[in-house]
Amino acid sequence: AQKVTQAQTEISVVEKEDVTLDCVYETRDTTYYLFWYKQPPSGELVFLIRRNSFDEQNEISGRYSWNFQKSTSSFNFTITASQVVDSAVYFCALSEARETGGFKTIFGAGTRLFVKA
Amino acid sequence: AAGVIQSPRHLIKEKRETATLKCYPIPRHDTVYWYQQGPGQDPQFLISFYEKMQSDKGSIPDRFSAQQFSDYHSELNMSSLELGDSALYFCASSSGRGAWNEQFFGPGTRLTVL
Repeated sequence: AQKVTQAQTEISVVEKEDVTLDCVYETRDTTYYLFWYKQPPSGELVFLIRRNSFDEQNEISGRYSWNFQKSTSSFNFTITASQVVDSAVYFCALSEARETGGFKTIFGAGTRLFVKA
Repeated sequence: AAGVIQSPRHLIKEKRETATLKCYPIPRHDTVYWYQQGPGQDPQFLISFYEKMQSDKGSIPDRFSAQQFSDYHSELNMSSLELGDSALYFCASSSGRGAWNEQFFGPGTRLTVL
């Protein structure tokens, strides 16, 4: 069965600090996809990154970086030099194919990040 | 660039009433997904459509139904509304229905049931 665990419910940091959001997943499939989304106070879901299960290469995009480790089933997200505008809820999500030909996406419970000035 | 459009953005209904939420996907996207996000909760998948046919079904109550029309827009119909239906309803669209495809989310419709 699929499961996504974001153990950190809330994190509070001071501006310019680095912060890592943890994501641990469970799946029986060998082919699956991992995503991170940001949900700012305005409510919309903003796509940040996706990773397929065969690509463990870490990625950096500006102040954002992601560490995917299949050995520990983790897909952690680090924000470097955090800013107040990073304050949001961050969701990790897992998608895997179903027998119907479609796929199912499940989200973690989310981590609420507060960045204080 | 065009994004996913959802209407209305806010909706207030009474218990036992019906509600219809509309979703207009990004042009040329053939797949639509509906999610329900309760207060302080993560988004829960309800149902999806690919090429106007139901593709997958998640935790959608029997009181809810949905369809995708010939122009690819989708409507989520909710009947006999309950207080617990109060939530943010997201629509997302993608090109193709593979698990790899990036889902583009709309701004959501906030439904309040009184």
